[in-house]
Amino acid sequence: DGGITQSPKYLFRKEGQNVTLSCEQNLNHDAMYWYRQDPGQGLRLIYYSQIVNDFQKGDIAEGYSVSREKKESFPLTVTSAQKNPTAFYLCASSTGQSSSGANVLTFGAGSRLTVL
Amino acid sequence: AQSVTQLGSHVSVSEGALVLLRCNYSSSVPPYLFWYVQYPNQGLQLLLKYTSAATLVKGINGFEAEFKKSETSFHLTKPSAHMSDAAEYFCAVSDHRRWNSGNTPLVFGKGTRLSVIA
Repeated sequence: DGGITQSPKYLFRKEGQNVTLSCEQNLNHDAMYWYRQDPGQGLRLIYYSQIVNDFQKGDIAEGYSVSREKKESFPLTVTSAQKNPTAFYLCASSTGQSSSGANVLTFGAGSRLTVL
Repeated sequence: AQSVTQLGSHVSVSEGALVLLRCNYSSSVPPYLFWYVQYPNQGLQLLLKYTSAATLVKGINGFEAEFKKSETSFHLTKPSAHMSDAAEYFCAVSDHRRWNSGNTPLVFGKGTRLSVIA
């Protein structure tokens, strides 16, 4: 079945360490997204990529980096510059506007990062 | 930028009672609106979407939402709550004005946690 796979599901990190969260999709979607979820704050956009080798900053990109070398993959690196990295991270993808005009996002199961 | 406001961070209903989760949007252009559901430690699943084809939108699991332009609202309802409906619900809008592309990121509300009491 097609879908989005995020790994690892749980990750612990010491302060000052960089970590990379994996996101792979086999839906043949062009666009991919990273959101951060904190309790009571909803989802906030970190980065998104419309096509391979292109990506744009979202609302909270500071302290994060991404790459998009393959259509299927959009890894997120949480760097030591991110002041408060403990959160639930969600990856999503979309195929662009459907016949209805709406861009429907499909989400992975998420990765929970805890900084010790 | 587009935005959505969800009224009430937590809603509690009895099993069998009406579910009403409120969402108001701000948009100067016709919006695309969505409701997603999230179960604990999982990703988000699309419940339904509004694309201007019809103001009353039916989704999965018996949920529906009505787009009311005069009230800038897109409230989610279900006639009879089930224990399995307990989850967090997010309203979202496509941010057309900011991202001029077909793959427009969504802007999410802060979520409403629904509890169902037996």
